[in-house]
Amino acid sequence: GENVEQHPSTLSVQEGDSAVIKCTYSDSASNYFPWYKQELGKRPQLIIDIRSNVGEKKDQRIAVTLNKTAKHFSLHITETQPEDSAVYFCAATPYSSASKIIFGSGTRLSIRP
Amino acid sequence: DGGITQSPKYLFRKEGQNVTLSCEQNLNHDAMYWYRQDPGQGLRLIYYSQIVNDFQKGDIAEGYSVSREKKESFPLTVTSAQKNPTAFYLCASSISQTEAFFGQGTRLTVV
Repeated sequence: GENVEQHPSTLSVQEGDSAVIKCTYSDSASNYFPWYKQELGKRPQLIIDIRSNVGEKKDQRIAVTLNKTAKHFSLHITETQPEDSAVYFCAATPYSSASKIIFGSGTRLSIRP
Repeated sequence: DGGITQSPKYLFRKEGQNVTLSCEQNLNHDAMYWYRQDPGQGLRLIYYSQIVNDFQKGDIAEGYSVSREKKESFPLTVTSAQKNPTAFYLCASSISQTEAFFGQGTRLTVV
């Protein structure tokens, strides 16, 4: 069935260093890959997304890369700051159901001062 | 004030009781979703609806039911058949393959 795997489940980095979170998806025809950030006690919010016709997308300190052949996509956060501490979720939309959104299990990112 | 609203914020259910969680959106989105979030876990899809009067089961639909009689509303009923209903429930809406907007969530506790 359709599945999205996310690693690692927890990640601790020194402030100013980079953080990388990786996801794999099972449906090779998936074509939309969003990333959401959920701060403690708050709702998830979109931070960046990428479509299957693009290999990389950047927005200031955040970038996402997509490898369609390997069915991998990754979130890169550079120059991490304390406000980056949160849970991050990757997601994919299977081709078979354009509205269905399947989430990964989440990564708890902690930024050490 | 546009957005997606869930109510109530906290809900307590007795054993064997059905309860209904409300989700309303005024974003004119066709698609709506219900997710369950357990501590330290991801967002697991319960049900989703792509259009009025249509809905599909997600990965953990057993013990839950939904309806989509209006575009704006997608209520979730947690039935007595759901043996472990204590969790945080999130509703979301979107236009297909674009950003999903989430409600603030309902925390359901069995007492």
